[in-house]
Amino acid sequence: SQQGEEDPQALSIQEGENATMNCSYKTSINNLQWYRQNSGRGLVHLILIRSNEREKHSGRLRVTLDTSKKSSSLLITASRAADTASYFCATSSGTYKYIFGTGTRLKVLA
Amino acid sequence: SQTIHQWPATLVQPVGSPLSLECTVEGTSNPNLYWYRQAAGRGLQLLFYSVGIGQISSEVPQNLSASRPQDRQFILSSKKLLLSDSGFYLCAWPRGGNYGYTFGSGTRLTVV
Repeated sequence: SQQGEEDPQALSIQEGENATMNCSYKTSINNLQWYRQNSGRGLVHLILIRSNEREKHSGRLRVTLDTSKKSSSLLITASRAADTASYFCATSSGTYKYIFGTGTRLKVLA
Repeated sequence: SQTIHQWPATLVQPVGSPLSLECTVEGTSNPNLYWYRQAAGRGLQLLFYSVGIGQISSEVPQNLSASRPQDRQFILSSKKLLLSDSGFYLCAWPRGGNYGYTFGSGTRLTVV
């Protein structure tokens, strides 16, 4: 069953703007991860946030986690055309497997 | 260095033909390994995972099977492909810590 659901499904912004995408999940988690997928390629791990963390930064990425609302957000600041990709959240409940959401397709217009 | 290899990159197979996709990892031992499938424009569906040689867990009943003949090798197979088996197949390996999964480059399978 699908654990994470990203929102919006698609997002189109101008270069330099910020992009925010959200992920909601259903069950308790140990950690939540965000991945990027360029068209036709494998996924690349961006950032991991643990259930006892509320915010995490990596370069132009900022991830928040609200376990009470079972949701997370990924903010990409000062977006670039190279950020055009699909973004997925994945959750782990302490087992060996991660469950992925359906993804947000981000298009950054130059 | 720790790397994951997956091949072939693309494959076009007729309905009813067999399938064998291979995934190998380097630079680690006794890794957990995973097969995911991604339908066009969709999210990832977990198919199989393995925590060791000969240990396979199946997540969804389907026309596919997996095997772990060696510590660093994970194989996805089918005896007879269906049209619905078309998709993008990804092998993944959790590196632990804050690194999440490392994914292979994927195999684009088209069943015709």
